[in-house]
Amino acid sequence: KQEVTQIPAALSVPEGENLVLNCSFTDSAIYNLQWFRQDPGKGLTSLLLIQSSQREQTSGRLNASLDKSSGRSTLYIAASQPGDSATYLCAVRPLGGGADGLTFGKGTHLIIQP
Amino acid sequence: ETGVTQSPTHLIKTRGQQVTLRCSSQSGHNTVSWYQQALGQGPQFIFQYYREEENGRGNFPPRFSGLQFPNYSSELNVNALELDDSALYLCASSTHPQGSYEQYFGPGTRLTVT
Repeated sequence: KQEVTQIPAALSVPEGENLVLNCSFTDSAIYNLQWFRQDPGKGLTSLLLIQSSQREQTSGRLNASLDKSSGRSTLYIAASQPGDSATYLCAVRPLGGGADGLTFGKGTHLIIQP
Repeated sequence: ETGVTQSPTHLIKTRGQQVTLRCSSQSGHNTVSWYQQALGQGPQFIFQYYREEENGRGNFPPRFSGLQFPNYSSELNVNALELDDSALYLCASSTHPQGSYEQYFGPGTRLTVT
């Protein structure tokens, strides 16, 4: 059974710092990995999707890497801003593809202090 | 392009009652998945619908059921509500079987069971 772990569970840093959020998964037979942002009480916003054949994806100040063989992904946030405060969730889709759903971690609760 | 929408936003029900939640998928998407997110946890996969049939299911009992309509919208039905069913229910749409399976989530329905 796939398990996804995110470290740290919570993080509070001053504005302007560069951050690394970690995600690990137990079964490397994945189709893709997706990073999401969730504001309190809201739905999920997709940030980046990395296919299993890719090593990294970038969008603006965000960069996500994937090392499938070691079961790890990192989300790098450059020059953090107070508006980045949210919970960040990592999720993997199994190699079977469509019908098995995503397995999520519990998330990293991020606070950026002005 | 219209995103994923869900209704209602909030709902309060009594233990033992039945509830129906609704989801409209993003334009061009033919697959709908439902997730349950308890407070402080990552979302858990309930089931997925494609071509009006359930084609994948997580570890949820049969009292959780669903429908998908020809316009790809979907319903989640929960019978015999229990206190532990209190959660944020998220709907996600994607394309199947082609594409990246990138999931796009709606804003969720907050269900409280008393």
